[in-house]
Amino acid sequence: EDKVVQSPLSLVVHEGDTVTLNCSYEVTNFRSLLWYKQEKKAPTFLFMLTSSGIEKKSGRLSSILDKKELFSILNITATQTGDSAVYLCAVDNYGQNFVFGPGTRLSVLP
Amino acid sequence: DVKVTQSSRYLVKRTGEKVFLECVQDMDHENMFWYRQDPGLGLRLIYFSYDVKMKEKGDIPEGYSVSREKKERFSLILESASTNQTSMYLCASSSQGAEAFFGQGTRLTVV
Repeated sequence: EDKVVQSPLSLVVHEGDTVTLNCSYEVTNFRSLLWYKQEKKAPTFLFMLTSSGIEKKSGRLSSILDKKELFSILNITATQTGDSAVYLCAVDNYGQNFVFGPGTRLSVLP
Repeated sequence: DVKVTQSSRYLVKRTGEKVFLECVQDMDHENMFWYRQDPGLGLRLIYFSYDVKMKEKGDIPEGYSVSREKKERFSLILESASTNQTSMYLCASSSQGAEAFFGQGTRLTVV
């Protein structure tokens, strides 16, 4: 059974800290790994990763994939209170659907 | 901008009622999905559809059915609502190999 695991499940930091969120996966057919940010409503897309070792970057957020070790990390530098959200990792398994992890709840305190 | 629209943000229904959740997307995506999201359990796939009139069961299809009569519309049906179907329901759509775009969610309470 395809599975996506995220850690930690919950994290509390102070503004200005740097955080690393982890995602590991076991899927039979891997096409891509995706990161989403979910505040109070719909998840919004952050990154799609298909190749190992190539960092994707958007402002203070970056992410990288290791297809040999089957994991990805999402880094957020100089965190702000607006970064408080649930971060979801998902894998596209060629099954025409996405397998989601449980999410990491990040709280950034002022 | 891709838009996925769910018909209701909040719904309260009684046990045993038939409930329809509607989802419409405007980007001609082949794939559409219904997930439910519960604390500690993440997003769990109920059903998905990769074409008109085609549907596939996800991980938790029991108690649900779906309908996709038109490409842009994907409906989730709770035949006889029960209290354990109280949840946040999220609809999403995607093209093959691309990211999924989500609707704003419907918070359903069954009393």
